[in-house]
Amino acid sequence: GENVEQHPSTLSVQEGDSAVIKCTYSDSASNYFPWYKQELGKRPQLIIDIRSNVGEKKDQRIAVTLNKTAKHFSLHITETQPEDSAVYFCAARNYQFYFGTGTSLTVIP
Amino acid sequence: KAGVTQTPRYLIKTRGQQVTLSCSPISGHRSVSWYQQTPGQGLQFLFEYFSETQRNKGNFPGRFSGRQFSNSRSEMNVSTLELGDSALYLCASSRRDGFKNEQFFGPGTRLTVL
Repeated sequence: GENVEQHPSTLSVQEGDSAVIKCTYSDSASNYFPWYKQELGKRPQLIIDIRSNVGEKKDQRIAVTLNKTAKHFSLHITETQPEDSAVYFCAARNYQFYFGTGTSLTVIP
Repeated sequence: KAGVTQTPRYLIKTRGQQVTLSCSPISGHRSVSWYQQTPGQGLQFLFEYFSETQRNKGNFPGRFSGRQFSNSRSEMNVSTLELGDSALYLCASSRRDGFKNEQFFGPGTRLTVL
């Protein structure tokens, strides 16, 4: 089966700085890689996703990169704001979704 | 379009009891997946149903079961509850047609086992 590892588990940045969260996966058959943001007490919300035929995708301050050869993908948040504080989960899908263990991001005003 | 709904939102049970949780997917979505979320463990996949058939199953004991109805609504059942079953149970729905795999989560059911 698939194994998704996510680092770091906690991350603190100053407001305005960038944040990077990295995930690795093991199954080369995985072809879809979403990122979810979960605020305290709320449901996970999809913030960006990337498919295996694309190397990079950007949506305003958020970007995701995928390196299929190395089997890793990363979430980049630029110009961080306090409202970016949340837990972020990466996931990989082949026949089902496999999630990383989450990164708790704190943006310090 | 209404989002994914789950009932009940909170549940308190005692060890040995059983519980049934319900999930209503977004209209038109035929796939429903269930996850267990506990602090430090992230999201653990329980099972996925598509068109009333279980397509995938995670590494959970047989006490965890589920089903899906013809209207795509899904239920999961946990029998003989244990303290360790206390968790947030999330369901997620997707269209699951072709390459479009985007999943939408419900608000979850918070289960506490005493």
